[in-house]
Amino acid sequence: EVQLVESGGGLVQPGGSLRLSCATSGFTFRDHNMDWVRQAPGKGLEWIGRSRNRVNSFTTEYAASVKGRFTISRDDSKKSLVLQMNSLKTDDTAIYYCATFVLDSVMGPFDSWGRGTLVTVSS
Amino acid sequence: SYVLTQPPSVSVAPGKTASIACGGDKIGTYSVHWYQQKPGQAPVLVIHYDGGRPSGIPERFSGSNSGNTATLTISRVEAGDEADYYCQVLDSGSDPHVWVFGGGTKLTVL
Repeated sequence: EVQLVESGGGLVQPGGSLRLSCATSGFTFRDHNMDWVRQAPGKGLEWIGRSRNRVNSFTTEYAASVKGRFTISRDDSKKSLVLQMNSLKTDDTAIYYCATFVLDSVMGPFDSWGRGTLVTVSS
Repeated sequence: SYVLTQPPSVSVAPGKTASIACGGDKIGTYSVHWYQQKPGQAPVLVIHYDGGRPSGIPERFSGSNSGNTATLTISRVEAGDEADYYCQVLDSGSDPHVWVFGGGTKLTVL
């Protein structure tokens, strides 16, 4: 069974930092692209970045809204994905989901999601 | 950047058919995916690649895509279908390739 479990959310002040993790199981982690998607309270879904798979040299890509502030990394030995968030703004308040396309190793729709972790940026 | 437009809300009586539109420039040239999200839960993929159904999704869910509009159709609507629905495409014309979501449609079962 595929499982994605996010952790690390919480309350942080504007300008602060937070590190989210996504623990995975049930699939060959290194063969799959891994993405982060967020959802502000009462709002829609926003893709924020991805870590490509081994075939694509584990490169990372980011949405313009977070580029330069957020960093995605992965630890294949632990089958985990990390989202390091710096210079946080109140607009970054959201539930953060990790997601992937388990059915194939290409860049496909997200057929597996974690339950999400809430990040609140407030003074 | 590519924009997907969805109606904020759609209402339907139980047993009837609901259609949720997703508009975008030449969206028919993209592969469109649809997600269902119930309150307090993560999204669930209900339609992939325009009209495919992932394993476990009822046949009542179907999709189509042509021209400037993609459509999610739910037949014989049930109370349990009440949820927010999002369309999604990969904007492969951007660098990096960006996953774009529509704003979401709240389906209300009357």
